[in-house]
Amino acid sequence: DAGITQSPRYKITETGRQVTLMCHQTWSHSYMFWYRQDLGHGLRLIYYSAAADITDKGEVPDGYVVSRSKTENFPLTLESATRSQTSVYFCASSESIGDNSPLHFGNGTRLTVT
Amino acid sequence: DQQVKQNSPSLSVQEGRISILNCDYTNSMFDYFLWYKKYPAEGPTFLISISSIKDKNEDGRFTVFLNKSAKHLSLHIVPSQPGDSAVYFCAAEPLSGSARQLTFGSGTQLTVLP
Repeated sequence: DAGITQSPRYKITETGRQVTLMCHQTWSHSYMFWYRQDLGHGLRLIYYSAAADITDKGEVPDGYVVSRSKTENFPLTLESATRSQTSVYFCASSESIGDNSPLHFGNGTRLTVT
Repeated sequence: DQQVKQNSPSLSVQEGRISILNCDYTNSMFDYFLWYKKYPAEGPTFLISISSIKDKNEDGRFTVFLNKSAKHLSLHIVPSQPGDSAVYFCAAEPLSGSARQLTFGSGTQLTVLP
């Protein structure tokens, strides 16, 4: 199926565990992003990538690690999960930058850290 | 310090009437603005955008207005339909450079009453 898919849709983990959220897109978009959505904060950028092997921090990168070995995949890893990382995580992609290249989002992963 | 603010967390409108959603920003470097719509358990979907060289952009029932001097944008939906009930996020970014960092507001829940 064409588009952007995230897995898993739901995840419960314990404090201190490592967890990886997966994101896959079939458009061959250059740019990929990870956002978290929390009540009252909207969507905040965690990390983004302009191309394979190029990643950069966003607004709230602490406690997260990303990699982009292939254009189509952009996994997000919480190395040692904390309760403050309980959130809904959205992956997005865009073809380029500019005013005709909006972000396309996946359906999200709801992560609960107990 | 929120650079993009949606001061109304919720809005209720009768079907057939106009819905007006507002957004204010503080960063004068922003020159591309977008609106996204989000249904429960889904990712945000792109709705409409406007670049800073324009003051209005229209797409069917949706019109976005930009007032740069006031650092204010608004989304008008006419006529409103029950299917428009969703959370609406405004977002903004500067277009200079190679980075792409969209900053989102906290969202407004629109409810269209039949």
